[in-house]
Amino acid sequence: NAGVTQTPKFQVLKTGQSMTLQCAQDMNHNSMYWYRQDPGMGLRLIYYSASEGTTDKGEVPNGYNVSRLNKREFSLRLESAAPSQTSVYFCASSGAGTGNNEQFFGPGTRLTVL
Amino acid sequence: KNEVEQSPQNLTAQEGEFITINCSYSVGISALHWLQQHPGGGIVSLFMLSSGKKKHGRLIATINIQEKHSSLHITASHPRDSAVYICAVRGDSNYQLIWGAGTKLIIKP
Repeated sequence: NAGVTQTPKFQVLKTGQSMTLQCAQDMNHNSMYWYRQDPGMGLRLIYYSASEGTTDKGEVPNGYNVSRLNKREFSLRLESAAPSQTSVYFCASSGAGTGNNEQFFGPGTRLTVL
Repeated sequence: KNEVEQSPQNLTAQEGEFITINCSYSVGISALHWLQQHPGGGIVSLFMLSSGKKKHGRLIATINIQEKHSSLHITASHPRDSAVYICAVRGDSNYQLIWGAGTKLIIKP
């Protein structure tokens, strides 16, 4: 089992460029999440997907879009990157019911927007 | 006031010491999570609990629902325990986790 995988691990963008962060899990989990972590700060939820076919906004959704492509995959898209989106992005998944089951995290994507 | 508060923010101790990290919350919860973030950035779930106490190796987590408080203890601490320890709670009324800011622990040899 690979658990939760994320690609890419590192990315540098110029302001205005777009990109998609990919996340996949092989644990047959229903729920998936995207977080961002800024230096010295805690995790903040961007979007989550309680189950295949549903997505909901988290605490900081502005500037992002998501797609729950299937049960395994949950992607995060930045349509027009801004320096304020420089952060480390974590994808996570959990079993039946969001929050009550432990969340398993991917290794993170370190994104720099110049 | 944050809904989830951890203390201390930073903790430095000598190898072998007994470590306690505290988490207080102000909302009704259905579950509380303790996670560990390594210096390299990886995040690992340590415990999820809704009552009582759980133990895994040298780690012990307790929760007091009435007092809205949880503690994470590390016995016989070791430099490899150096990490950021994060508390997160799931409220009664929504699916999102509410995250504490983390406690940065450094264990010196």
